[in-house]
Order: sequence, then structure tokens, then C-alpha cells
Amino acid sequence: NAGVTQTPKFQVLKTGQSMTLQCAQDMNHEYMSWYRQDPGMGLRLIHYSVGAGITDQGEVPNGYNVSRSTTEDFPLRLLSAAPSQTSVYFCASSYSNGVYEQYFGPGTRLTVT
Amino acid sequence: DAKTTQPPSMDCAEGRAANLPCNHSTISGNEYVYWYRQIHSQGPQYIIHGLKNNETNEMASLIITEDRKSSTLILPHATLRDTAVYYCIVRVGGATNKLIFGTGTLLAVQP
Repeated sequence: NAGVTQTPKFQVLKTGQSMTLQCAQDMNHEYMSWYRQDPGMGLRLIHYSVGAGITDQGEVPNGYNVSRSTTEDFPLRLLSAAPSQTSVYFCASSYSNGVYEQYFGPGTRLTVT
Repeated sequence: DAKTTQPPSMDCAEGRAANLPCNHSTISGNEYVYWYRQIHSQGPQYIIHGLKNNETNEMASLIITEDRKSSTLILPHATLRDTAVYYCIVRVGGATNKLIFGTGTLLAVQP
């Protein structure tokens, strides 16, 4: 199993540009989520999904969109990048409906200039 | 989900046990205690979780007080590779698996 994969590893955007961060998992996990981590801070939940076709907002959803058309993929879209979205983005997945460990991807380091 | 309080940093000598405390005084009866760690900006890694009994796995032990208001993660023989930020998280097991991270404890294992 590849686990949770994220692409790209690094990205630089200009203010106002849009882009999609990719996340995929091959463990047949129902639950997937996106976090951002700013320097010196803990992770903050952006959006999550409990299954294909079902998404919901986390703590800091503004400026981001998600969709879940398949179990495997959970892309995060930045609609109009702002310098405040400079951060490291982590995707995670787990089984749902219970007490399960979450598996995290290696992260995408995004800089918005 | 209950709030947790952890010391911002701790040191430990290599080969000694590292005891990381966590306070969760407002925990409710159906909330679990989870521990994750993050090594130098990598994605967080699950360590262990428990409800009220003490738990042990190949990585660590989790000791939860009888009143469940605090817990301690024990790394029995810390190595330099255990240097990381350790997060204590309390949540209810349920349909979602949302984790709310605080700022954690930076454990520095010294040679």
C-alpha cells in the first residue's frame, strides 16, 4: 500500500491564482480530511469527508473548496490564493464510525506571494 | 471535544523513559484520549489511544488516571529519533474522526 499520497510536495502561487492540492489513499478509508499547519502552530482542520459525495467544513474552511467523487481521492481547491494561505497542508484518512487511527500524508508546502 | 493542556516543551536523556503529561479535566465519559506525534514537519503519526484502562503497544504506554482528568504518555527508552512534537487529543469515537490539535509538547531527546 502507498498509504496517503499528496501532490505536489511544494508549490508557489501568486496572489489571486487558483490551484488544486491532490490527496489519494489506497486503504479504502471512508474518512478523509485536510489540515493546514502554520509555523509553530498545531494543525487546524479545513474540511473533511465521511464518504464519497459527503463533505463538511472544519475549523478554517474559508477560501477552500473540496469534493469527494470517489473513495480514494479528496482534492482541496484554493479558489483565489492569498498570502494568508501560505502554510503546510496535510491530508489524512481513516476508517469511520469508530475509534480508528488516522494516517497522514507527507504534506504540501504552499507559498503565496 | 474536551480541551487538553500540555507543557510546551520537555527534555529527556537518551535511553531514559520519557513521561509526557496531558491534562483533560473536562473530559466526558465517552471521550477517548489519543496521542500523535509529528517529527520535524512530517505528517503526524498515530501513537496510541485509550478510554479508561491503561494501554501499551510497541511504541508507548498510556496511563490514564482513575478520574480520567489526566494522562501520561510513556516512551520507555527514548532515542534521538523520538524527538518530536507530541499531541494529546480528546475526542468522541463516532461517525466522523475529527481531530482537533493543540500546540503539543516538543520533546527533545538529548544524547
